[in-house]
Amino acid sequence: DGGITQSPKYLFRKEGQNVTLSCEQNLNHDAMYWYRQDPGQGLRLIYYSQIVNDFQKGDIAEGYSVSREKKESFPLTVTSAQKNPTAFYLCASSSTGGSLDTEAFFGQGTRLTVV
Amino acid sequence: DQQVKQNSPSLSVQEGRISILNCDYTNSMFDYFLWYKKYPAEGPTFLISISSIKDKNEDGRFTVFLNKSAKHLSLHIVPSQPGDSAVYFCAASAYAGGTSYGKLTFGQGTILTVHP
Repeated sequence: DGGITQSPKYLFRKEGQNVTLSCEQNLNHDAMYWYRQDPGQGLRLIYYSQIVNDFQKGDIAEGYSVSREKKESFPLTVTSAQKNPTAFYLCASSSTGGSLDTEAFFGQGTRLTVV
Repeated sequence: DQQVKQNSPSLSVQEGRISILNCDYTNSMFDYFLWYKKYPAEGPTFLISISSIKDKNEDGRFTVFLNKSAKHLSLHIVPSQPGDSAVYFCAASAYAGGTSYGKLTFGQGTILTVHP
């Protein structure tokens, strides 16, 4: 079955530690995204990548880092520089190109809690 | 700067009646609009979309209306069912050529509750 897999579903981190959230897709999508959801804030874009080995900062990239070494994978690292990392993180992917097919498919999310 | 706004944090309707969820945007470059439905602790799922060349798109019980001059879109659900209770996000995208297409900007979401 095609889809996006995020792991783990729940993650606990001590203050001052870096942690990496996994996102894998087998939809053959070129574009991948990381969003963060906080209560009353909607989904805010952290980083996105339109092609392998290339990525751009979104609206709230500070304290985060990403890599895109493979088309299928777009891991997000939450660094100790992120001041308020406790949130629900969502990974998404979409096809790109000249058509209007920009529907994004989302993973199930990772709930990160800093303890 | 919130480019996509959903000004109603919540909406409550009776089963069988119409649900109308609203969304406003400020960026005139947006030309593709989507609605997503989200249950707690799950990822959003795509519901329906509309491009700027249309003013209406219908899919079963769901209809999206776009008013470009007002920079406003709405999602109508008729008839509403208890299973429709969820958070609904509108999102917008602008085609800028090259690698900029497909980046989605989301609104804050509206919690819809449909009472039996």
